Amino acid sequence: AQKITQTQPGMFVQEKEAVTLDCTYDTSDPSYGLFWYKQPSSGEMIFLIYQGSYDQQNATEGRYSLNFQKARKSANLVISASQLGDSAMYFCAMSRHGSSNTGKLIFGQGTTLQVKP
Amino acid sequence: DVKVTQSSRYLVKRTGEKVFLECVQDMDHENMFWYRQDPGLGLRLIYFSYDVKMKEKGDIPEGYSVSREKKERFSLILESASTNQTSMYLCASENSGGHDEQFFGPGTRLTVL
Repeated sequence: AQKITQTQPGMFVQEKEAVTLDCTYDTSDPSYGLFWYKQPSSGEMIFLIYQGSYDQQNATEGRYSLNFQKARKSANLVISASQLGDSAMYFCAMSRHGSSNTGKLIFGQGTTLQVKP
Repeated sequence: DVKVTQSSRYLVKRTGEKVFLECVQDMDHENMFWYRQDPGLGLRLIYFSYDVKMKEKGDIPEGYSVSREKKERFSLILESASTNQTSMYLCASENSGGHDEQFFGPGTRLTVL
């Protein structure tokens, strides 16, 4: 069965430092996508970054990068130079495909990140 | 700017009531989704729709139904609300193809008393 695991319920980081949020996944599909979303206290889910299973290079989007280790089935999110506005819950997700060809997502449990001034 | 809107941010209902949660997207997306979010469980897929009048069950469809009469609108229906359906409900949409990001609405926090 497909599964996403985030083992860190909560994390703290000092402002301006880098932080890594862990995500491991399990799937037997050769084709899949990995996503990270941010959910501030307002509740809305904000897309951060995407990595395809066939992508050779790690994805980067501004201060966000995805450390994709396919053999280990891990897709950790790295946030560089943390800002107070990065305080939020972060979700790792994986797309799965069925007969209807929709990117149904399966989500991890989430990690709450708090940035300290 | 792309947008997914949900009819209510907060909703309080009584056990046994029929509840409608509405979601509208303005991006002409084919696919729409309903999730519920509970602490420690992340988001779980209730139902999704890949076209008008087309729907498929997600991982936790029991106690829910959906309706998609128009492309931009996807409704979640609780036929007889129960206290264990107290949760945050999130609607999302995406283009078909499967590797595009999903765009989420602001969520509806439903409390069933």
